[in-house]
Amino acid sequence: GNSVTQMEGPVTLSEEAFLTINCTYTATGYPSLFWYVQYPGEGLQLLLKATKADDKGSNKGFEATYRKETTSFHLEKGSVQVSDSAVYFCALRDTGFQKLVFGTGTRLLVSP
Amino acid sequence: DTAVSQTPKYLVTQMGNDKSIKCEQNLGHDTMYWYKQDSKKFLKIMFSYNNKELIINETVPNRFSPKSPDKAHLNLHINSLELGDSAVYFCASSQGGTGTLSNQPQHFGDGTRLSIL
Repeated sequence: GNSVTQMEGPVTLSEEAFLTINCTYTATGYPSLFWYVQYPGEGLQLLLKATKADDKGSNKGFEATYRKETTSFHLEKGSVQVSDSAVYFCALRDTGFQKLVFGTGTRLLVSP
Repeated sequence: DTAVSQTPKYLVTQMGNDKSIKCEQNLGHDTMYWYKQDSKKFLKIMFSYNNKELIINETVPNRFSPKSPDKAHLNLHINSLELGDSAVYFCASSQGGTGTLSNQPQHFGDGTRLSIL
């Protein structure tokens, strides 16, 4: 079945550091890939998405590239801020199904 | 103008009780979902409705019964609550879902934190 694997957290960084959160997936079809962010006490918000191989999703300084050859969708940001502290979820949605399959989430803590 | 709204935000109740969580979306979407997030933040789909029809029903105890009176609403009723039901429940919605529409993002509510005493 479809699955998503994320790096374990928490990831602890200082402000302005470079961020990478790894995500790899297993899927039978050609899934769309998403990153969602959950700020403390809030619901999930879509951060970015990519729908086919080599697509790059970007938003708010975050980027992720759909790599079919390595089945990966790593999240990156060049310079994190304290306000980026949140839990980040990688997810996929296969063409034949409607549900999102989530990774376990990675907590990011950014200190001033 | 909240897109996906859930009520209540917090629900504290005793084991054995029956409770409901309501969800409404004003995005005009035709598909709605319920997810459960456990204490370790793991998110798992429970149900999905498309145009008021059940299309996804994961392995969920039959004490959980979703009801969709119309496309804009998907409520979750839980009978005989158990300690293990304590979690945050998220409602979500999206447009379509199969084929090329599978790349449409899902929009989430703020969650309902259910605590069983």
